[in-house]
Amino acid sequence: ETQLLESGGGLVQPGGSLRLSCAASGFTFSDYAMSWVRQAPGKGLEWVSVISGGSDTTQYADSVKGRFTISRDNSRNTLYLQMNSLRAEDTAVYHCAKLGCTGISCYCNLWGQGSLVTVSS
Amino acid sequence: DIVMTQSPDSLAVSLGERATINCKSSQTVLHSSNNRNYLAWYQQKTGQPPKILFYWASTRQSGAPDRFSVSGSGTDFTLTISSLQAEDVAVYYCQQYFGIPQTFGQGTKVEIK
Repeated sequence: ETQLLESGGGLVQPGGSLRLSCAASGFTFSDYAMSWVRQAPGKGLEWVSVISGGSDTTQYADSVKGRFTISRDNSRNTLYLQMNSLRAEDTAVYHCAKLGCTGISCYCNLWGQGSLVTVSS
Repeated sequence: DIVMTQSPDSLAVSLGERATINCKSSQTVLHSSNNRNYLAWYQQKTGQPPKILFYWASTRQSGAPDRFSVSGSGTDFTLTISSLQAEDVAVYYCQQYFGIPQTFGQGTKVEIK
């Protein structure tokens, strides 16, 4: 079965760090770019970051640039999001998403259920 | 950044009736090199992750019901549900993947009247 399973969310204090993981199965992971998309409680979707299939290209939203790092381990079929210097406004459900292409200019055709990150003191 | 604006923010439609959602981008998402519109439509039901309905503006994702249709090119796009069913209650989003950052519309909530 083709699926994505996020983990690593939780409660963290402002200024703290957290690393999200996304385990992929059911497809050739390295063939596809991957993204993180977040959704604040009761709000819409916000694109966060993207990484190409071979990790040669990464891009970030301005709101997280310099604080978040996307990476992947194709040998482990796993996507990561390292989040540092967390702020209250980073509170959201973080979805990993598989893109329909190897390159980053592509749609998300498979989404994980998401992992809730709460930044609060 | 390319701003995606959906209208309306919400709509209530009777079962079996038509629902129409508009999506407008602040600049074209039609790539001249391949004549493709870098636009997708997603459906998100309560408590679930989004699910893709269409990509490249008009390519139907496998499994998306035929009552969903799309139109548009360049900067103006439309998603239509021809005969609303109870299972179509959801929030619908358009997304452009032409530029970075990739951006979503604010969402349109579809309910039953």
